[in-house]
Parts: sequence; C-alpha cells; structure tokens
Amino acid sequence: DTAVSQTPKYLVTQMGNDKSIKCEQNLGHDTMYWYKQDSKKFLKIMFSYNNKELIINETVPNRFSPKSPDKAHLNLHINSLELGDSAVYFCASSLTGGGTEAFFGQGTRLTVV
Amino acid sequence: AQSVTQLGSHVSVSEGALVLLRCNYSSSVPPYLFWYVQYPNQGLQLLLKYTSAATLVKGINGFEAEFKKSETSFHLTKPSAHMSDAAEYFCAVSAPVTGNQFYFGTGTSLTVIP
Repeated sequence: DTAVSQTPKYLVTQMGNDKSIKCEQNLGHDTMYWYKQDSKKFLKIMFSYNNKELIINETVPNRFSPKSPDKAHLNLHINSLELGDSAVYFCASSLTGGGTEAFFGQGTRLTVV
Repeated sequence: AQSVTQLGSHVSVSEGALVLLRCNYSSSVPPYLFWYVQYPNQGLQLLLKYTSAATLVKGINGFEAEFKKSETSFHLTKPSAHMSDAAEYFCAVSAPVTGNQFYFGTGTSLTVIP
C-alpha cells in the first residue's frame, strides 16, 4: 500500500501546454505539500496546504496552482509550461503539529520540450 | 526564519570508514530537525528526526545524529559505511510558526568507495 502516490511518474510535454500532476495520500494526514527538485537536487517548497490554510511560496509563478478536492488529495496544475519548469516534482504529506515528519511520493519527472 | 546549511555537496568515503555529513541550522524558535535520504530516481525517506527529546538520535540503517544547540549543528554519522549507503542526503528543518513547512538543505551526495 503506497502511502503517498503521484501520477504520472514521467511527463513529457511541449512548451505552452497545460498539465496536471495528481497526488494522493492514505496516511490520514491533514497537511500536504508540493516541492520542486531542480537538476542540482535542490528541494524548494512550493505550497503547503491543509483544510484551513494555503501557504504559497512567493517565488512560485502564478502559473502553478494547487487544487485539493479533499484532505487526501492535492493536485498540481501548471499552465503555459516553460522550459524552466522541467524538474522533478514531489508531493508530500504530514500531520500538522511540531516534530512530525513529511512522507514523500516517488516524484514526477516533468520534461518540457 | 528557518534554514539549514549542509557543508560539502559531495563526500567520498571508503567502505567501512566513518561517515560524517554536516548540517548547521538557523532558527528563531526551537527547531525540529530531520535527515532524509534519496536513492536514485526515488522519493525521500526519513532517516531520523530530532524533536527536543534526546539530543542523540538514532535512525534507520545504523545512522545517528547529535543535536548541539551551542554549535547550531545536527551532523549525521555512521560508524562504518556500506556500499548501499551511496545516495543523496538532505538535512531539513521545520517549525510550527512557518506553517509546519519543511526547509531543506542543498543536499550532500555520498559516494562509497570499495
């Protein structure tokens, strides 16, 4: 049973397209996250979200938007894809509260051509 | 604000030698600290975490880390490296004041030489 699952694992698309990455967690967590890992392996927080609050990293372009149909899902929509969006995107989840760790999905490798 | 700095983007050790990966943190409040490991083409897996209980924390795969407030450090060690330890290692910090977001260091790539 996968705790945090993302689909698709690989995504190749052309510039200008709109795409979505889906994420689901079955851990009963109340906070979910999206991270971007660039080619140098640097992990950057993009969003954190629970049923009360969306926290957006101010450096994330507004072409990126998280959408949460329920507590167990947090999808990432990307409009007008650019070459620089190519990266690995990780979904994660945790319980809200101090000291709880985040559980990560396997990642989605997005390649924009 | 919370942040972590990992010294050394690449570390090489011989099989059987001590592994030491460095992490220093900056936090305006008592931090929670984590070490994660990432194997190629995989997600991140928790090795261990510090949550203000014991300062010496033991994790999986024989790793441990010591929280030193005076040095603002949380270095990761393992007495004897195995080939299977070759991976990318990330130190991370979180704090409730930042919405429980996790902030990661830039990572250290560990190579184990046979």
